[in-house]
Amino acid sequence: QVQLQESGPGLVKPSETLSLICTVSGGSITSYFWTWIRQSPGKGLEWIGYNYYSGSTNYNPSLKSRVTISVDTSKNQFSLKLSSVTAADTAVYYCARGFSSGLTVDFWGQGTLVTVSS
Amino acid sequence: QSALTQPRSVSGSPGQSVTVSCTGTSSDVGGYNYVSWYQHHPGKAPKLMIYDVTKRPSGVPDRFSGSKSGNTASLTISGLQAEDEADYYCCSYAGTYTWVIFGGGTKLTVL
Repeated sequence: QVQLQESGPGLVKPSETLSLICTVSGGSITSYFWTWIRQSPGKGLEWIGYNYYSGSTNYNPSLKSRVTISVDTSKNQFSLKLSSVTAADTAVYYCARGFSSGLTVDFWGQGTLVTVSS
Repeated sequence: QSALTQPRSVSGSPGQSVTVSCTGTSSDVGGYNYVSWYQHHPGKAPKLMIYDVTKRPSGVPDRFSGSKSGNTASLTISGLQAEDEADYYCCSYAGTYTWVIFGGGTKLTVL
């Protein structure tokens, strides 16, 4: 059974860069679409983007200028970097494994809360 | 692109059936057969229940079924059980620019 676990700072200052890592266990990171999704307090889910293990990426147009998703096959990890954060980026961030051209995710992490505040 | 529209809450008694709707537009739900449904117990990892409108992943009980008519997709849960109480989210492909969008979520209460 594939398992994913997010890790990273729970508090980030405004204008700084949010950085999270997702560690994948129980399966290889080669193949699949490694995806980040977030949920702001009291709101629905928002797809952030994915990195296909070979390096091709696809990002939410509303976040594209600030997002980078990278895959490290040697560590079975992938990461999220979101620059110039504001309070609006406060959310629970989920990492997930996507298939079917990245249209569907089948395994998720439990999520990690990141608060943007000074 | 706006989020897909779901009812805030639905409820049913054990053994009954409930249906959760997910309304979009011809640019997302109505335009493609790429609707998925996720079950989320707070504090846990969300779980894929239905994908490609009607397909069930291995291990998901056949009490869960999906369908679509026009711009509205639906998740039906028959033979309700206490453990079905959770939040349910729909998701749809929305074209090459937007990619995917989610619904606002529906809280299912088992009475």
